[in-house]
Amino acid sequence: DAEITQSPRHKITETGRQVTLACHQTWNHNNMFWYRQDLGHGLRLIHYSYGVQDTNKGEVSDGYSVSRSNTEDLPLTLESAASSQTSVYFCATSPNRERMDTYEQYFGPGTRLTVT
Amino acid sequence: RKEVEQDPGPFNVPEGATVAFNCTYSNSASQSFFWYRQDCRKEPKLLMSVYSSGNEDGRFTAQLNRASQYISLLIRDSKLSDSATYLCVVLTDSWGKLQFGAGTQVVVTP
Repeated sequence: DAEITQSPRHKITETGRQVTLACHQTWNHNNMFWYRQDLGHGLRLIHYSYGVQDTNKGEVSDGYSVSRSNTEDLPLTLESAASSQTSVYFCATSPNRERMDTYEQYFGPGTRLTVT
Repeated sequence: RKEVEQDPGPFNVPEGATVAFNCTYSNSASQSFFWYRQDCRKEPKLLMSVYSSGNEDGRFTAQLNRASQYISLLIRDSKLSDSATYLCVVLTDSWGKLQFGAGTQVVVTP
């Protein structure tokens, strides 16, 4: 069955360290999204990609970067982790526009990141 | 003003009762709307899309009011398993980018 995996599921890191969160999908979806979820804010879009070599900034992109070298993966990098980046991070995918009969996004299980 | 606003709740509902709640959106040009369900500490999952004419899926009914820019979700005959956070979602571009509300928590009690 097609799926989305995220790793690690839990991570504790120190302020200033570089951290990379992995997202891997076997849906063969063109669209991939990274969100963070914090109490009171809901899901906020960090970065997104509509295909290989395409990346775009979301509403809370400062301090984060992504790259898309293949269809399956969109790793999220925190260049220098800050305590304000302590959050739950979700990766999601959706089909591309030409094949789309739904805008449904499929979410991974999330990564809980703590920055101390 | 947030693009998508929801009453955070919680809505405490006796089992078997009906509960309804709304969500407002700020962009009058928005075309597509959805309700997602999120269980505690889990990933969100699509509950239903919201069509212009309103739609029903079992015990769940979604309505869209474009003039007042709100979407509603009604749950009939509530089950304990309906306890969750319900996220109101608006499509923000034609490629599939979504804007999520912060969610409405529903707690169904025996």
